[in-house]
Amino acid sequence: DAKTTQPTSMDCAEGRAANLPCNHSTISGNEYVYWYRQIHSQGPQYIIHGLKNNETNEMASLIITEDRKSSTLILPHATLRDTAVYYCIVRGISSGSARQLTFGSGTQLTVLP
Amino acid sequence: AAGVIQSPRHLIKEKRETATLKCYPIPRHDTVYWYQQGPGQDPQFLISFYEKMQSDKGSIPDRFSAQQFSDYHSELNMSSLELGDSALYFCASSLYGGNTIYFGEGSWLTVV
Repeated sequence: DAKTTQPTSMDCAEGRAANLPCNHSTISGNEYVYWYRQIHSQGPQYIIHGLKNNETNEMASLIITEDRKSSTLILPHATLRDTAVYYCIVRGISSGSARQLTFGSGTQLTVLP
Repeated sequence: AAGVIQSPRHLIKEKRETATLKCYPIPRHDTVYWYQQGPGQDPQFLISFYEKMQSDKGSIPDRFSAQQFSDYHSELNMSSLELGDSALYFCASSLYGGNTIYFGEGSWLTVV
């Protein structure tokens, strides 16, 4: 699976949008971009994933560049409970393959009151 | 909705003892993954199973073994425990080839 690069840490004011970038310049055609977050010592929580189109769900939006070499996770109205480590993970999916998630270093997002 | 269930949530063992962690996947999920997260570390993939067969293998020590049973639950067996095995152990599950992997809340293992 392709390697990802994320900033080590970011701050965001409560109520504002949090935009978390991720670079995955070596991503290949069958690899999806996943975002998980981990609130201190809890199990990683699935947020969203996408292949090449932008995606939105009740938690967040995922914007993937046209060349798919980078993406941005957007939390539209950050709350204090969104403080967590956010992981951007590239995962290959193909028929007959159940690949695991490989966690990198992630971004520590701190939402400030 | 039912989530991934792990037991026990906390476990304290002495060096050289054996520990067993259990994982009950989300109903109808057939694939189970095990991860280890040491203090201040990111989760590291250990091993995965599909239909009772090992699917992928990561950085699982030789002292550890795991299996998946016919009801899809899985157990991680850890022997000759070392202080460095103290960590949070996560189990996750998915449908085989499915898009989303869901994690349990983890089992804390402390080796003293």
